[in-house]
Amino acid sequence: AQTVTQSQPEMSVQEAETVTLSCTYDTSENNYYLFWYKQPPSRQMILVIRQEAYKQQNATENRFSVNFQKAAKSFSLKISDSQLGDTAMYFCAFHAGGTSYGKLTFGQGTILTVHP
Amino acid sequence: EAGVAQSPRYKIIEKRQSVAFWCNPISGHATLYWYQQILGQGPKLLIQFQNNGVVDDSQLPKDRFSAERLKGVDSTLKIQPAKLEDSAVYLCASSLSPPPDERIAELFFGEGSRLTVL
Repeated sequence: AQTVTQSQPEMSVQEAETVTLSCTYDTSENNYYLFWYKQPPSRQMILVIRQEAYKQQNATENRFSVNFQKAAKSFSLKISDSQLGDTAMYFCAFHAGGTSYGKLTFGQGTILTVHP
Repeated sequence: EAGVAQSPRYKIIEKRQSVAFWCNPISGHATLYWYQQILGQGPKLLIQFQNNGVVDDSQLPKDRFSAERLKGVDSTLKIQPAKLEDSAVYLCASSLSPPPDERIAELFFGEGSRLTVL
């Protein structure tokens, strides 16, 4: 079974600064997918960024980028130029691929607060 | 495009009572998921439907939880009888079938139904 660990329960950052959220995972799979989801207070969870394990290049989406270290089973999220709207719970998630369809294994989450 | 709709948003019940949650996925999404999110934890998959068939219900406590997806569209999740530990947010999500060159499609989540069991 896969496990996903987020070791930072809470993080805070000043507006316009950069913050990095950590995630590690454990799996015996070789082809899999990793995701970061954002869950604002009382709002629905939305996909921030995804990474396919077979791609060596780190994914980037505007101010969001990942540092994917496959050998170390590490998948961190970097948010540049933080904005107040980035305040949310962030979840790292794993998908085993194959016939697992959409079954995601989530980490415990990191609460990010962006201060003005 | 309308998102995933869920109701009710909030529900408070006494233990041993029953409760039902409803989900309407995004139009055309063949796959529907129910996740349970206990406070302070990440969501956990309870059940996954492909059209109106169950793909995975391995983590569904079948002695008290049931779910159905009639006609491959709307879905209901029922808990009977509820226990204190069922207090959680129940998230519904849906996705298209993966494109031919991908093995997973993006999941779209609803706002969730928050259950408090007293």
